This record gives sequence, structure tokens and C-alpha cells, in this order.
Amino acid sequence: EAEVAQSPRYKITEKSQAVAFWCDPISGHATLYWYRQILGQGPELLVQFQDESVVDDSQLPKDRFSAERLKGVDSTLKIQPAELGDSAMYLCASSLGVGQETQYFGPGTRLLVL
Amino acid sequence: SQQGEEDPQALSIQEGENATMNCSYKTSINNLQWYRQNSGRGLVHLILIRSNEREKHSGRLRVTLDTSKKSSSLLITASRAADTASYFCATEGISSGSARQLTFGSGTQLTVLP
Repeated sequence: EAEVAQSPRYKITEKSQAVAFWCDPISGHATLYWYRQILGQGPELLVQFQDESVVDDSQLPKDRFSAERLKGVDSTLKIQPAELGDSAMYLCASSLGVGQETQYFGPGTRLLVL
Repeated sequence: SQQGEEDPQALSIQEGENATMNCSYKTSINNLQWYRQNSGRGLVHLILIRSNEREKHSGRLRVTLDTSKKSSSLLITASRAADTASYFCATEGISSGSARQLTFGSGTQLTVLP
């Protein structure tokens, strides 16, 4: 069964450093989502792509976060510089796109900022 | 921001018992979905109910939706230890249009004791 891949699974970094997370969605899925999940809470959407275009990045802290999906397939989420409050699980999800309501999630990257 | 609120926040039951979780939301929706998350993992889609549906079944899962009360419930019958996980409701708001965005609740942590 096809799955969403994410790497790394775990990342420990010091504040002010740069970190990057990678996501490879299920083949053929046009829509890609990045979420942040703080421990004990539900996921919150950071950015949504339709193919290579950003559909919504209104919740992305653009002073330090950036996301790209250059060829409309895999995606990278970057934080620079990382802050203590960025410690969380970063989840990637994908869906077929128009008409597809179900999202398929990757295993996530757990980030700890020291 | 979290659209849905799950109740209870935590639930502990014995194997074989039924587990009921409730979700309330604030705005009009296209559909409501339930996802499951095992500790430290990504989310897995369980079931989707559309705004014009009142009840839906899938195996041991039964979901109800009351749009007049803006609430939903998830019933897991004959629970098993393997059902231990966090359960999240997620709503696709009418305002999201074709973007298919989900807003997640804060989750219910279910523990099934053997």
C-alpha cells in the first residue's frame, strides 16, 4: 500500500539553527499539506500545495518558515532560525486533489529545539 | 485555531467495552472525519460523514452527526487493546471551498485495558 514518506523521523537542534524536513506524497496526489502538532493537541495546518502552487500559507510564520514543492511532487519545509517554541511534530499529508476529501498522513518528524 | 473540541479528553475502558467520543464544532461543514493516531505516529483516516448524513458504520465504528447541534460522536464497539490511541475529529468547513482543508479538534486519548 502506498504511503507518505517523511524524513528525518527525529531531529534535535539548537535554537537559531536551520532545520529542514522532507516529504514525498503518495504518487499521483496533487494536494500536499504540512501540519504542526504540539504535544496534546490536534494538527494545525501550516501550508497547502496544489501541484507546485501554494493554495494557503496564511498560518505559516513566514519570517522563519518556508516551504516549497518545486516540481509538484516532493516538498521541503524549512525553519530558519529555529526557536524553542518550534518543538513539535511536523506532519505531511497528501490527497488526490479535487473531489478527494480524505488525507493520508506520513509518520511525521518530531523536532526538539534546545 | 482548533475548530472541534473532543470530549472527553481522556477515556479509559476495559477490553470488550464500548467507547464513545464526542466532538463539537463551530461553523458549517461539508463533512466531518475521524482520524486515529498511535503514539508518536501519523494520523490514519477512519471514517467520513457528510453534512447530509446522520449516521454511518464501518466495521466496529459507528459515527453520528447532528448538524443542528454541531456535534458528532464516534462509537467503537467491543474495544480491543489495539484500539488504544488518540482519536481526532476533523471538519471540512464550507468556507474552505475547493481547497479541502481540515480543521482538527484537540483529540480524545483512549486507553483500552486488557
